[in-house]
Amino acid sequence: GAVVSQHPSRVICKSGTSVKIECRSLDFQATTMFWYRQFPKQSLMLMATSNEGSKATYEQGVEKDKFLINHASLTLSTLTVTSAHPEDSSFYICSARDGTSGNEQFFGPGTRLTVL
Amino acid sequence: AQSVTQLDSQVPVFEEAPVELRCNYSSSVSVYLFWYVQYPNQGLQLLLKYLSGSTLVKGINGFEAEFNKSQTSFHLRKPSVHIRDTAEYFCAVSEVGSYKLIFGSGTRLLVRP
Repeated sequence: GAVVSQHPSRVICKSGTSVKIECRSLDFQATTMFWYRQFPKQSLMLMATSNEGSKATYEQGVEKDKFLINHASLTLSTLTVTSAHPEDSSFYICSARDGTSGNEQFFGPGTRLTVL
Repeated sequence: AQSVTQLDSQVPVFEEAPVELRCNYSSSVSVYLFWYVQYPNQGLQLLLKYLSGSTLVKGINGFEAEFNKSQTSFHLRKPSVHIRDTAEYFCAVSEVGSYKLIFGSGTRLLVRP
């Protein structure tokens, strides 16, 4: 149980294009989903927290107009990187929690974004 | 605000040797503590967590950690490591009542034959 998937696992795009990453909770309802980015050999940095049906809460320094987050259902959240640039290249990881898992978050396998 | 310090960026160790990965945290309020493992190009897997109760926490894959409130530490240990334990290990903290995780910088465990 408690499986979180991400799609795509890897994406390469040209500078200026937008990229959408999906995060799904496969066997539970995710009341809250989190989006992290991880640069090579570095830790995970929380970008935003999203609750189903409401606007995401972004961490300081994260541009909400650049990183659009939608959490339209209890099993799906999407992160859209708009007008991507090479500095947006990173490993993006989502996690999810349900109402019964307490403080535990279940992590997706991550999406490697490369912007040329 | 909370912070997590993992002083060792890399820990090399021979197979079947014991290992300790250090984690210290800073917080003005009560916290929950976690250890996660990340294999290359994968997401994070929970090894163990401390929420309350016994300060010695046992997790998966033979790992354990001990919460020491006076030293604000939560070091991860394993008595005998395997090659397959080679991975990145992250310590994380969250404030009681909050769901936000603050991660340490990670420690790469490199197990050599």
